[in-house]
Amino acid sequence: GAVVSQHPSRVICKSGTSVKIECRSLDFQATTMFWYRQFPKQSLMLMATSNEGSKATYEQGVEKDKFLINHASLTLSTLTVTSAHPEDSSFYICSAKVDTYEQYFGPGTRLTVT
Amino acid sequence: DAKTTQPPSMDCAEGRAANLPCNHSTISGNEYVYWYRQIHSQGPQYIIHGLKNNETNEMASLIITEDRKSSTLILPHATLRDTAVYYCIVTWYKLSFGAGTTVTVRA
Repeated sequence: GAVVSQHPSRVICKSGTSVKIECRSLDFQATTMFWYRQFPKQSLMLMATSNEGSKATYEQGVEKDKFLINHASLTLSTLTVTSAHPEDSSFYICSAKVDTYEQYFGPGTRLTVT
Repeated sequence: DAKTTQPPSMDCAEGRAANLPCNHSTISGNEYVYWYRQIHSQGPQYIIHGLKNNETNEMASLIITEDRKSSTLILPHATLRDTAVYYCIVTWYKLSFGAGTTVTVRA
């Protein structure tokens, strides 16, 4: 299957700082990528849909000014958590659409804000 | 997207087939049935998807009822590495994850 990578896999940052997470499609071009967040013992929650060359579409309740998404190329999307706070600590997962029907996920990034 | 209902948990024996049910009675004509699984602390893994015909790949089989209101994912020979949360999702575009079924394969 198609491979999606994320970097970093784990990050610890101090409250008030910003953190950037990268999502790459390694062996295919992805016009659409998605960002999810998963809190402990909960399911994945879709945060936003990212289309190459255009602004991301955020789900209801997700602050677009806090979670900045850039999808500048067909193989890279980035999520920047700005002014992070402890409640932003979570597992962030991206996915990329291979074609109309198939979507593959990255391994996730564990963010801890102290 | 149509909602899905899955049992919260199930156990199965190693080497036996695991049959995972999913109800999606409000599915609409253009929505596909997708199955993903998530092993602890990893990203979800694509398993299979289908529209109305039964599908099979190297991982599993998907059986969709004729009225499309329910489906069953079959893992033909479960191994310990199949222990995971399995998600049944009905959609035509975005994947929305419910609680899924926690499958525990026991030796």
